Amino acid sequence: DTGVSQNPRHKITKRGQNVTFRCDPISEHNRLYWYRQTLGQGPEFLTYFQNEAQLEKSRLLSDRFSAERPKGSFSTLEIQRTEQGDSAMYLCASSSRLGSSYNEQFFGPGTRLTVL
Amino acid sequence: QKEVEQNSGPLSVPEGAIASLNCTYSDRGSQSFFWYRQYSGKSPELIMFIYSNGDKEDGRFTAQLNKASQYVSLLIRDSQPSDSATYLCAVFPKLIFGTGTRLQVFP
Repeated sequence: DTGVSQNPRHKITKRGQNVTFRCDPISEHNRLYWYRQTLGQGPEFLTYFQNEAQLEKSRLLSDRFSAERPKGSFSTLEIQRTEQGDSAMYLCASSSRLGSSYNEQFFGPGTRLTVL
Repeated sequence: QKEVEQNSGPLSVPEGAIASLNCTYSDRGSQSFFWYRQYSGKSPELIMFIYSNGDKEDGRFTAQLNKASQYVSLLIRDSQPSDSATYLCAVFPKLIFGTGTRLQVFP
């Protein structure tokens, strides 16, 4: 399977704990995006990387959230001191300039986070 | 006003009919427009994108863009029950998605 992969697929944690999610993009894609989606809403942009550089962060990304892409390949999203409001589906997407533009993003299956 | 607006639906159409999904956006600087389909519990999958005013057809799908009216639509011809899903409109480069329209195609 050469699509975007995310691990874990589901995570249940207690309020106050730290969690980390991983995303492996499509191998030739140099842009990687993180989104959060709650029930009945569209994906909300959190941040994106071009290679290892984090180019943009949403105001939604509080100080408790941090993302890395150290070697320009896989990325991790860490949430510290989780709150119940962090419960959501966390989606990763990747894109490449091989197509007509950078904008054709392909999504992974998501990590569903439940904070008790 | 939301930056990208979609009617949440549900939009119910009979099998074989044309489903028309609409999206308006507020940023006149928006350059490209994407339609994603999302089945319940799954991640979004890209259906079509459009950059220029006018129509773009791909199989049973037609995307229509009118930048003057800040309006983009998706037509699905010969709708099938398997088309039942939520359709998300996305506007770039600001990376903003609408809340989606739920489509129900009944036999």
